[in-house]
Amino acid sequence: DAGVTQSPTHLIKTRGQQVTLRCSPKSGHDTVSWYQQALGQGPQFIFQYYEEEERQRGNFPDRFSGHQFPNYSSELNVNALLLGDSALYLCASSGTGQVEQFFGPGTRLTVL
Amino acid sequence: GQSLEQPSEVTAVEGAIVQINCTYQTSGFYGLSWYQQHDGGAPTFLSYNGLDGLEETGRFSSFLSRSDSYGYLLLQELQMKDSASYFCAVVGGFQKLVFGTGTRLLVSP
Repeated sequence: DAGVTQSPTHLIKTRGQQVTLRCSPKSGHDTVSWYQQALGQGPQFIFQYYEEEERQRGNFPDRFSGHQFPNYSSELNVNALLLGDSALYLCASSGTGQVEQFFGPGTRLTVL
Repeated sequence: GQSLEQPSEVTAVEGAIVQINCTYQTSGFYGLSWYQQHDGGAPTFLSYNGLDGLEETGRFSSFLSRSDSYGYLLLQELQMKDSASYFCAVVGGFQKLVFGTGTRLLVSP
C-alpha cells in the first residue's frame, strides 16, 4: 500500500498564475481533505471531498477550488495566486467514519 | 470560531517524561486528536480522545477534559526520534480537523 501520494513535490509560480495540485488517497479511503500549512503554523482546513462533491469548506476564498474523481483521487486548484498562498499543501484521506486521517507528504508551493 | 493554544516549544532529555498541553475554545466537537510532524514530513496520527479521560498507546498517552476545555499529550521514555512538532486538533463533523498552534519538542541526549 503506497499510502497517500501527492504531486508535484515542489512548485514555483508567480503572482497571478494558476496551479493544480494532485492527490491519490490511501487504498480503501473515500474521503479526501485538503489543508494549507504556512511555515511554523498548524495545518488549516481548506475543503473536503466525498463522493465527488465538496462536502464542507473552511474559510478560504473561491480562488481555491477542487475536484474528486470516481477513483477518489483529488485535485486542488488555486487561481490568481498571491504571495500569501506560499505554503505546504497537504492532502489527507480517511475512510467513512474513521477518525484517523492519513496525510500525504505535501506539495511545497512558492509564489514569487 | 475555534482556537486551540499550545506552548510553542518544550525541551527535555532522553528518557524523561514530557506533557504538552492544549487548551481550546470551540462551540462543539466530537473529540480531540494528536498528530506528530517531523521537519519536512507529513503529520501522522498519534491518538484520539472521544470521551473524557486518559487514552494510552504505548509510550504515548492523551487526556481530555471537556469541562475544562483542556487536553494533553504525555510522552514517556523520550527518545531522540521524538523530536518533532506536535499538534492537537479538534475533530468536527465528517472528521474535519481544526489544528492547534503546534508545539516543537526538542529532545537532547
